[in-house]
This record gives sequence, C-alpha cells and structure tokens, in this order.
Amino acid sequence: GENVEQHPSTLSVQEGDSAVIKCTYSDSASNYFPWYKQELGKRPQLIIDIRSNVGEKKDQRIAVTLNKTAKHFSLHITETQPEDSAVYFCAASGDSGYALNFGKGTSLLVTP
Amino acid sequence: EAGVTQFPSHSVIEKGQTVTLRCDPISGHDNLYWYRRVMGKEIKFLLHFVKESKQDESGMPNNRFLAERTGGTYSTLKVQPAELEDSGVYFCASSLREGNEAFFGQGTRLTVV
Repeated sequence: GENVEQHPSTLSVQEGDSAVIKCTYSDSASNYFPWYKQELGKRPQLIIDIRSNVGEKKDQRIAVTLNKTAKHFSLHITETQPEDSAVYFCAASGDSGYALNFGKGTSLLVTP
Repeated sequence: EAGVTQFPSHSVIEKGQTVTLRCDPISGHDNLYWYRRVMGKEIKFLLHFVKESKQDESGMPNNRFLAERTGGTYSTLKVQPAELEDSGVYFCASSLREGNEAFFGQGTRLTVV
C-alpha cells in the first residue's frame, strides 16, 4: 500500500519567515495530494491540494509543489504569522473517492 | 450547510467496556471514511463506505471494531471490548461520490483506562 513520509516532525520559525514541509510517497498510482491544517482542538481542514497533472499551485501565502518523478511534494508558507501555528498533515490518494494516506504531521510554531 | 459532526467529542471507558462512536456526514456525501490518530502518529485509515456499502475495510485493526452505515446516512463505529491500545482520536470524514476533497469532523477522543 501507499506509504507517506513527512518531514520535519516539528518546525519553529519566526514571524515573517518562510516554512517548508516535505513529503514523499511510495505509490506511483497516487494522483491527489492534499494538505490539511489542524489547529489545537479543531478538526483537520483542507488548505490546499494538487493533482498529478500540475507541478505547482499557489493560494496567497501558501504554495504546494509536486515532483512526480521523484515522488515528493512540499508545502511552502511565506510570510508566516502566529495564526499559522498548527499541525500540518500531507496526504496522498488515488482516484476520486479513494481513502487518504497521511503523513505523521508537522507541528509548526510561529513565534512573534 | 452543516459540516461533518461526530459524537461524543470525548469518551473515557474502562478496558473491556463497549463504546459506540457516531458520525453524521455532510448531506449528500456518499463517501464516508473513518480514520484514527494514535498519539504522535499519523492519521490512519480504518474504513470507507460508499453509501451503505463497505468499499474498503482494510484498515480495521481487528474484529473488535464494527462499523455500520445503515441507510447510507450516519455511521457508527463500535469497539467491543475496548483495549488500552484503542485510545486515540477517531475522525470521520465525508466527500462527494466523484470528489476527492474530504471534509473532517472534529473527532472523538477515546481514552481506554
């Protein structure tokens, strides 16, 4: 089955700096790669996703890149703010309706 | 529109007891998933319903876990008898039949003592 590795497990940055979280996956059939943000005590929420026919996608301060050949994808957050502090999960799955395979999560702390 | 709702939010039970978790997906979402996160580890897939049918239950840890989705609406996940290692946060998620985006509930934190 699919195996998703996520690094780092914890990340601390100063406000205004950039943060990068990286994930690798093992199943070349995976073609959907979402990122979820989970704030303390809240539900995981989708913040951005990318499909295998796209190499990069941006949404304001958040971007995701995908390298299908190398089987890795990354989340980039620029101009970080304290409210970006949360646990971020990457995931991979196949065609629509398939279950998500998650990484172990990255606890991001943005200090003022 | 109401999101995915899970009950209860917390449950503390003794080893050997039974607990039933409930998930109400977003109306119209045929896909319903159960996941579990044990402390510090990844969110692991348990099973997937399409309407009332079990599409994939490969993630269910053992036969102490029973999931149902009668009528294709809400789902229940019963753990009987509960063991210490069953402690964790159980998430439910739902998505449209032809969609990838999964919407999560707030989770049920289960503690077995």
